[in-house]
Amino acid sequence: DTGVSQDPRHKITKRGQNVTFRCDPISEHNRLYWYRQTLGQGPEFLTYFQNEAQLEKSRLLSDRFSAERPKGSFSTLEIQRTEQGDSAMYLCANRPRVGNEQFFGPGTRLTVL
Amino acid sequence: DQQVKQNSPSLSVQEGRISILNCDYTNSMFDYFLWYKKYPAEGPTFLISISSIKDKNEDGRFTVFLNKSAKHLSLHIVPSQPGDSAVYFCAASDTGTYKYIFGTGTRLKVLA
Repeated sequence: DTGVSQDPRHKITKRGQNVTFRCDPISEHNRLYWYRQTLGQGPEFLTYFQNEAQLEKSRLLSDRFSAERPKGSFSTLEIQRTEQGDSAMYLCANRPRVGNEQFFGPGTRLTVL
Repeated sequence: DQQVKQNSPSLSVQEGRISILNCDYTNSMFDYFLWYKKYPAEGPTFLISISSIKDKNEDGRFTVFLNKSAKHLSLHIVPSQPGDSAVYFCAASDTGTYKYIFGTGTRLKVLA
């Protein structure tokens, strides 16, 4: 258990619906990442927060995706008008103030029908 | 452009023997490297890391070797145990940026 939790663990939705995922990080880790992982691939970077500031977004993050981290605590990732290609595991990771290791949550598996 | 490559999608090893997992990278700006283990339906678990100022880092049964001139790193697991069966990802970072780039993973199966 890395101390990073994600909710829900599984989400099944119909194409066109909106979904929101939540990540609760380790409280003293101020750096937070979102990744997407599809079958046979490694985690792909989506976005990065340092405290509440979103400092980088991947070009993979289309306009339908938005992430927030209010008050530098938990983070949410919203996907609007889901498409079947959005089906993947969405991973949240933390990184402490000092050090280069990332610690991952268990992920949210999204299935878009 | 795959900047981090794990060319072996799978590896089988007998229990007690050495497992060697390989990773190649192309970006010479990468200066920090990590290995993660992933079980099904779980997030990746951090195993071991190495900075580019070193060529070896050891933690128990796990040792990571870095060859900067060849842009190659490897993870050695000795002795291998059935519980080591998982997918292993290498990741690389340019610590001047925020990004970590992951390889596609190698599935290790340790046979009892």
